[in-house]
Amino acid sequence: SYELTQTPSVSVSPGQTASITCSGDILGDKYVSWYQQKPGQSPVLVIYQDLKRPSGIPERFSGSNSGTTATLTISGTQAMDEADYYCQAWDRSSVVFGGGTKLTVL
Amino acid sequence: QVQLVESGGGVVQPGRSLRLSCAASGFNFTTYAIHWVRQAPGKGLEWVAVISYAGNNKFYADSVKGRFTIARDNSKNTLYLQMNSLRVEDTAVYYCAKEGITYYYDSSGGFDHWGQGTLVTVSS
Repeated sequence: SYELTQTPSVSVSPGQTASITCSGDILGDKYVSWYQQKPGQSPVLVIYQDLKRPSGIPERFSGSNSGTTATLTISGTQAMDEADYYCQAWDRSSVVFGGGTKLTVL
Repeated sequence: QVQLVESGGGVVQPGRSLRLSCAASGFNFTTYAIHWVRQAPGKGLEWVAVISYAGNNKFYADSVKGRFTIARDNSKNTLYLQMNSLRVEDTAVYYCAKEGITYYYDSSGGFDHWGQGTLVTVSS
């Protein structure tokens, strides 16, 4: 079955750029979405179709996808961005989520 | 505004059944596919199933295939998940999530709205 691999944790200082990666076989041929989940809350879509931001998502969130790696980039990271982030794609009639990355802002 | 409200969770013994519901409002329910996604305590997101906007296409994760059935009633703007032969490993918060693009069910538009989730605990 298809797998998406994420680094379990990433740390970043406030104001710096955080990069969260998601790897999978020929991932660049698929659409990737990214979700932010804070403790006790439902996930929130922050990027879809590799690089599009839903309305209401700050411009500091951006995405890219090429080859075998998709990347979520948060520029000028703020304390409120501390959360778990999940990538997601569709493969052979099923949805696949990455294992999640815990972003710590310190 | 878009709202998805899950219900039906609770504590159930292994091998028993449970039916979850997801009441939708604030959008044209009949034109969107809807998914079920679950999250075990302290774990990541796991996709469970999807049903197309008209209900004629359904897909399941291997972990629930043959035990869970997804359905929808477009006249009631409601999604269902019938869960049979429940196992301890099915314990999770179950979310319904709406596709971001009309008529597609392949998550190409992402899941743009999620419910608050309902907790299912399978325990003897």
